[in-house]
This record gives sequence, C-alpha cells and structure tokens, in this order.
Amino acid sequence: DQQVKQNSPSLSVQEGRISILNCDYTNSMFDYFLWYKKYPAEGPTFLISISSIKDKNEDGRFTVFLNKSAKHLSLHIVPSQPGDSAVYFCAARVDRGSTLGRLYFGRGTQLTVWP
Amino acid sequence: KAGVTQTPRYLIKTRGQQVTLSCSPISGHRSVSWYQQTPGQGLQFLFEYFSETQRNKGNFPGRFSGRQFSNSRSEMNVSTLELGDSALYLCASSLGKGSYEQYFGPGTRLTVT
Repeated sequence: DQQVKQNSPSLSVQEGRISILNCDYTNSMFDYFLWYKKYPAEGPTFLISISSIKDKNEDGRFTVFLNKSAKHLSLHIVPSQPGDSAVYFCAARVDRGSTLGRLYFGRGTQLTVWP
Repeated sequence: KAGVTQTPRYLIKTRGQQVTLSCSPISGHRSVSWYQQTPGQGLQFLFEYFSETQRNKGNFPGRFSGRQFSNSRSEMNVSTLELGDSALYLCASSLGKGSYEQYFGPGTRLTVT
C-alpha cells in the first residue's frame, strides 16, 4: 500500500524556468515531510523538509508547499539548473507510535533540466 | 564530519547464499535505518535500530535481519538469497530523538545470480 505517491515519473524543464514536483499522501497521521535528491550510484541527499504545522518552507532556490486538506505537497525549484537533474523522492513520517523513525517514500520523479 | 559509510559497495552472490552488509552512521547518530531500492520502486523500508534495539520493521520476510552494536554501527543480513533480492541497499542514520532528517550512505549494490 503506497501511502506516499509521486504520480509523475518524469519531468523535463528548461534551464532558468521553474520546476514543480508533486507528491500526494493518504495517511492523515503524517506530521513531517521531506524531499530527497538522488544522483545515480549515490545515496539520496536530504534537500528540504516541512512540518505539518506549516504550509511553506524555503531554502534558497527550493521551496516546499504543504496543503494538508488536499494531502498534497510540492517542491518548487527556481531557477532550475542543469545540476538539478536527478531523481527526487518525497518522504513522510509519523512522529509517534510504533512507526516512529520510519520514513515512507514515494517512487520518485526524474527531473531533467535542459539548457 | 564524516558521512554514512557502507561496505561493501558492490557484491555478487549466488542464489541460496547469505550476505552481510555493514553500515557506519554519522558520529553521534544513534538511529540506523535500512532500505531496499529496486528499479521502478521507491525506497522500501526494511528496519530501524535505535540504541541497539529494533524499533521498527517493514514488510520483508524473516530472511532479512539486522542488528546494531553499542557504537551504533549496524549490519544487515540476508539468508537464502533469491534472484529478487538483487537491489541497492541503503542505510540511513539520524540522531534518533527529536531529529527528523535521515542521512543516507552511498548504498551497497547486491546482485544475485
């Protein structure tokens, strides 16, 4: 049962434009969300996160938006650069109970930024 | 500060054999989680250890097991390997308490023939 879903397996964006990666979730108990970036032959790298008590978090070119009523979050990258080309994973966690410490991941979206 | 290290990086085993993978977390991190990544799938959670105790377990058969040592280093063992166990195995560490971000190692690529 995929509790975190990334419905777009790929996204192609021109350099300098905005990249928007989307993520949906089904478990209303999730209270923390994270985005990871992964290059081939490397482990995922933590990018940015957001608590469920917020609806926006910014870090440089990266902004994550959370819409709890829609169970949807998105990652905006502005401006996009060729070095951003990677697989992006959305992840979520429940911060209490038996699943404390476990991250639930989506299947990833391959972002390609072309010149 | 050194990152998460995993050994070996690559491994080729034959069906029916067993394998042990090792993970050294970031210094000071007490939680270690293991994930399996296969083509087309996201990261599938295997288990998480905190202070030498298994705190969480995913939906994998009993052939997959792990442990954590007093220095927080962790090992994962897979017995009676099957072809479907071929995957990238990723280890992640975090502070464990009050910390939400997990930091990943480069992974061990296991190929079962």
